[in-house]
Amino acid sequence: DTAVSQTPKYLVTQMGNDKSIKCEQNLGHDTMYWYKQDSKKFLKIMFSYNNKELIINETVPNRFSPKSPDKAHLNLHINSLELGDSAVYFCASSQYEQYFGPGTRLTVT
Amino acid sequence: SQQGEEDPQALSIQEGENATMNCSYKTSINNLQWYRQNSGRGLVHLILIRSNEREKHSGRLRVTLDTSKKSSSLLITASRAADTASYFCATDGAGGYNKLIFGAGTRLAVHP
Repeated sequence: DTAVSQTPKYLVTQMGNDKSIKCEQNLGHDTMYWYKQDSKKFLKIMFSYNNKELIINETVPNRFSPKSPDKAHLNLHINSLELGDSAVYFCASSQYEQYFGPGTRLTVT
Repeated sequence: SQQGEEDPQALSIQEGENATMNCSYKTSINNLQWYRQNSGRGLVHLILIRSNEREKHSGRLRVTLDTSKKSSSLLITASRAADTASYFCATDGAGGYNKLIFGAGTRLAVHP
């Protein structure tokens, strides 16, 4: 009965690789988000989609590309990974308050 | 830049004591929300207070909002060891789309 799920939970990869993180919500929410939490626990919004349409696009490198095939899914693809991309990435969905997934810990070596 | 700033950054108390965390923000808001994050987990929504509300309760949680001072406080009464977590305030600004700006968080440790 997981509300917001993300895969994988852990991702270790080398610089220069391309990777994807998947997110799914079964709450019937219209809006989904991607956040990045750095090592100091700062949580910053990256993207938001409402009904498959991009509505928030913060200052994020072009190497990050979200894709929403339907309103229950919001995937995050990252090209040419860099050391600074290492962080925990959280997906969330909302109608009013936001429901967060468990996070994906990305480590770039 | 961060919208919300919490203080203290870290708080250590004994079980049974009350814990108060404060949050300040900079711009106009529609609402302010508090979230809890246990170590290695996602954030869990605790309470939402709208800009026209001054106080809200939920169980052992009490949130106040002072829009004139652009500040909010979260009080956890009769704390338990299970309350040990990081607590974040997040503001939902007037720009719409439920775009939350999070503060840096307060790390609360409740000792048995």
